[in-house]
Amino acid sequence: NAGVTQTPKFRILKIGQSMTLQCTQDMNHNYMYWYRQDPGMGLKLIYYSVGAGITDKGEVPNGYNVSRSTTEDFPLRLELAAPSQTSVYFCAIPTSSNTGELFFGEGSRLTVL
Amino acid sequence: AQSVTQLGSHVSVSEGALVLLRCNYSSSVPPYLFWYVQYPNQGLQLLLKYTTGATLVKGINGFEAEFKKSETSFHLTKPSAHMSDAAEYFCAVPTQGGSEKLVFGKGTKLTVNP
Repeated sequence: NAGVTQTPKFRILKIGQSMTLQCTQDMNHNYMYWYRQDPGMGLKLIYYSVGAGITDKGEVPNGYNVSRSTTEDFPLRLELAAPSQTSVYFCAIPTSSNTGELFFGEGSRLTVL
Repeated sequence: AQSVTQLGSHVSVSEGALVLLRCNYSSSVPPYLFWYVQYPNQGLQLLLKYTTGATLVKGINGFEAEFKKSETSFHLTKPSAHMSDAAEYFCAVPTQGGSEKLVFGKGTKLTVNP
């Protein structure tokens, strides 16, 4: 998926550990989003950003933090990992259609044991 | 607030049979509607979208969807299922209030039997 790069693709964490999921885009979009996907639950918005230095909570922000120091990067941080954060995380940016359509990264699969 | 309901978390069809995946949206008429597809162990990709104009929208891989305002629906269909259509399908609409946020349905997992 050209345009949005997520790392790592897979990670196993122990309860209480912290980590950062990286998201980088090369499309120079102001808007960036983090979603989590859980089986049978669809995608839920965690945090989003409308530009460098500006972030806001989505539907399920508890347990996460974000920052947006540059247009390109939008890292998602888990400070104290919990089993409930076992999920697949997707970073996304808008397409150029101006319709709300999103372009997704390949995802990061996180397991907390 | 805008929400999306997908009826049927799992749908199973035979190869060559009609595929019908249901999506209903709530409250006000959304300006846009989307169907995304997720193949096993992959990310989401756009299948089709409704923006303006014709209410019957054609997408990739022979799928199409019809926006019916009177029924608040945007059901996805394909006349003849193929084994490669096995995937999870998500309906989505923009939230109100800008910021281009999307609200997703819970998804429908399509199984195609030989």
